[in-house]
Amino acid sequence: QQQVKQSPQSLIVQKGGISIINCAYENTAFDYFPWYQQFPGKGPALLIAIRPDVSEKKEGRFTISFNKSAKQFSLHIMDSQPGDSATYFCAAKRVNTGFQKLVFGTGTRLLVSP
Amino acid sequence: DTGVSQDPRHKITKRGQNVTFRCDPISEHNRLYWYRQTLGQGPEFLTYFQNEAQLEKSRLLSDRFSAERPKGSFSTLEIQRTEQGDSAMYLCASSLPVGGGYNSPLHFGNGTRLTVT
Repeated sequence: QQQVKQSPQSLIVQKGGISIINCAYENTAFDYFPWYQQFPGKGPALLIAIRPDVSEKKEGRFTISFNKSAKQFSLHIMDSQPGDSATYFCAAKRVNTGFQKLVFGTGTRLLVSP
Repeated sequence: DTGVSQDPRHKITKRGQNVTFRCDPISEHNRLYWYRQTLGQGPEFLTYFQNEAQLEKSRLLSDRFSAERPKGSFSTLEIQRTEQGDSAMYLCASSLPVGGGYNSPLHFGNGTRLTVT
């Protein structure tokens, strides 16, 4: 049972363009939505995260947009760079879970062409 | 480097053999997690330790899997009688307590890639 659905599976963006990755969740009992970036041969690294009481969060070139009613959230990478080429995972944590038991999406492989 | 360290990086074993992986978390982190990642998928939660206590285990963690964190520092994950379906990347992560903040981020190691032949 996939509780967090992520799309697209892969994405090619030109340098300087905007990369957009979408996630949808089925369980309303999630209260924390992080995005992780993973390079080949490395573990995932936290990129940015949002709580459901906020509709948008921006950190540098990375923005999360959150739509609670639609149960959707997305990652926007502005001015995409070749160094952003990686696999991106959205995730969600259940409410009242006092530790990081995360449910991950299936990942989006991003390629930023020079 | 003060990140999460995992050993070995790669392990190839024959079906039916036992394997053990080690994780050294960031020193001040009292929370430690094991996740499993198969090819083309996101990580899946396996188990969670707070200090030396194992507080949560996923149903993915069959009886052949055992994890320990005896002194609340490093952790080991053992798989007995390995099966080809156990082939995956085993990721360890650590974090600080939630404390006054809302969520303390997970810091992942670079994983141990297990191949069962």
